[in-house]
Amino acid sequence: EAQVTQNPRYLITVTGKKLTVTCSQNMNHEYMSWYRQDPGLGLRQIYYSMNVEVTDKGDVPEGYKVSRKEKRNFPLILESPSPNQTSLYFCASSLWGGAGSPLHFGNGTRLTVT
Amino acid sequence: AQSVTQPDIHITVSEGASLELRCNYSYGATPYLFWYVQSPGQGLQLLLKYFSGDTLVQGIKGFEAEFKRSQSSFNLRKPSVHWSDAAEYFCAVMYGNKLVFGAGTILRVKS
Repeated sequence: EAQVTQNPRYLITVTGKKLTVTCSQNMNHEYMSWYRQDPGLGLRQIYYSMNVEVTDKGDVPEGYKVSRKEKRNFPLILESPSPNQTSLYFCASSLWGGAGSPLHFGNGTRLTVT
Repeated sequence: AQSVTQPDIHITVSEGASLELRCNYSYGATPYLFWYVQSPGQGLQLLLKYFSGDTLVQGIKGFEAEFKRSQSSFNLRKPSVHWSDAAEYFCAVMYGNKLVFGAGTILRVKS
């Protein structure tokens, strides 16, 4: 089944403890992206990747890192999480990232930083 | 700056009634427009998209949307709502390689 898989689904951590949220897609998509969803703000893009080894900042990249060493995986790294990064995170992928290529979303990771 | 506005945070409709969710955008050129739906605990699913051509586009689950350039709007409609349509709906506009989302509208369906 074609899908975007995020892990974990739920994560509670403490301020400053490094964490990684994994994202994997099995559709051979070139484009991958991370969003965070907060009430009243919709989804905001954190980082995106047009292809392997190519990543770029979205609208809210501060406090996050990503890597794209292989096409299928696009992990989101929080080196030193803070409470304002408590949010619902979505990974998404598409064939090439342009308008004609709809995004496929994972089921989300709910992160709580205390 | 490019932006997407969904003026209604919550909407409640009766089952079987018609639905219209509003979306306005700001963008100088012809936009690429999308509507997504998010059911509780799920990711976003694409309902429909507009790139060019006929301004009335049909999507999945009986939804349609109309692009009105003069009003910078892309409102989502459904003639008869079902209880399973209760979800959060997001309008989005693509600027270059970036997809910008509105804040979302939560739809409640009462029986």
